[in-house]
Amino acid sequence: NAGVTQTPKFQVLKTGQSMTLQCAQDMNHEYMSWYRQDPGMGLRLIHYSVGAGITDQGEVPNGYNVSRSTTEDFPLRLLSAAPSQTSVYFCASSSPGLKNSPLHFGNGTRLTVT
Amino acid sequence: AQTVTQSQPEMSVQEAETVTLSCTYDTSESDYYLFWYKQPPSRQMILVIRQEAYKQQNATENRFSVNFQKAAKSFSLKISDSQLGDAAMYFCAYNVGTGRRALTFGSGTRLQVQP
Repeated sequence: NAGVTQTPKFQVLKTGQSMTLQCAQDMNHEYMSWYRQDPGMGLRLIHYSVGAGITDQGEVPNGYNVSRSTTEDFPLRLLSAAPSQTSVYFCASSSPGLKNSPLHFGNGTRLTVT
Repeated sequence: AQTVTQSQPEMSVQEAETVTLSCTYDTSESDYYLFWYKQPPSRQMILVIRQEAYKQQNATENRFSVNFQKAAKSFSLKISDSQLGDAAMYFCAYNVGTGRRALTFGSGTRLQVQP
């Protein structure tokens, strides 16, 4: 039972480079979301999706793009990396069946932009 | 906008003692859900306990319990018989009951457990 899988676990980028953080879940969850975690600020929502083909912005969307072509995958794209995007990124998924169903988190990607 | 506030950046407790972590939130919604997540040094996010706002009874999970005061918008976590493995960051989180399933998190409380 893999749950939510994030790749890579660590990444170093130079300013201006682009990359995609991968997220896949095998629980048939309709809801998926991306968060970033910075020291002293908890987790902040970047983008979320309530189903394939549907995405929306969260609290801190600037500099990030997402798409949801399948139920399983929800990649996060950094178009032109900036040092301010140095953070730990978490992908999470949830079932819509129960309103109090918890988020299932991946193990995170630590991204450093130099 | 909904906000979640954890006013204790760090807490310390002796092994086997009880500790309470504070959380307050601000919302105009009547249907919502509250969660406590634990993040050990491994970085994994682990659900500790959850509470539905419409339920008056406080949630309990083994050594973990909450004190949910809806009128005061307070949602504290009590850890009884603290163990060394309880040392971690603890995040309080809020989710509105309709629409998206995306949480608003507090800034976290780092709990140290002294042997």
